[in-house]
Amino acid sequence: SQKIEQNSEALNIQEGKTATLTCNYTNYSPAYLQWYRQDPGRGPVFLLLIRENEKEKRKERLKVTFDTTLKQSLFHITASQPADSATYLCALDRGYGGATNKLIFGTGTLLAVQP
Amino acid sequence: DAMVIQNPRYQVTQFGKPVTLSCSQTLNHNVMYWYQQKSSQAPKLLFHYYDKDFNNEADTPDNFQSRRPNTSFCFLDIRSPGLGDAAMYLCATSGGQGHQPQHFGDGTRLSIL
Repeated sequence: SQKIEQNSEALNIQEGKTATLTCNYTNYSPAYLQWYRQDPGRGPVFLLLIRENEKEKRKERLKVTFDTTLKQSLFHITASQPADSATYLCALDRGYGGATNKLIFGTGTLLAVQP
Repeated sequence: DAMVIQNPRYQVTQFGKPVTLSCSQTLNHNVMYWYQQKSSQAPKLLFHYYDKDFNNEADTPDNFQSRRPNTSFCFLDIRSPGLGDAAMYLCATSGGQGHQPQHFGDGTRLSIL
């Protein structure tokens, strides 16, 4: 069956350092991968989307990589701040094309940035 | 600001008593989704609408139904809630052109007494 794994343990880092979160998947070949941020009691908020033919995508302090050979995506936050503390979810898009994109979400990694 | 609004934010119902959760959007998106998220778990897609076309996930229990009377509104009906249905219910929309980000509401936290 399809499986998506994210770091199950919380990631604690010091302010100013780079946070790296991992998303691994098996039995699956997504055409697209998305990353979302979720704060406690709130809905997920979209951050970045990367296509299978893209190796890397950047947006301000965020960077995502997508390695279809390793079946892995890495999500980096540089110069991390306490305000970056949240749960980060990766989501695989089956890429059916057409009108809708059905996402399969991972369970997320809780990031805590210490001041 | 264009957004996705879910009401109420918190809902308490009794075991077996029907409950309806609502979602509205000002984004004018074609697609609306309903997800169930239990504590520390991934959001799980229940069903979605593309315009008025309803698409159920194979493992969504029959207890869960949905209605979309117009583009802006979508409802989740739970006909006979069980204790296992206590969860956060998230509504999301997307622009309906494939591979677009999804825009989520802040969810309704459902408790079952």
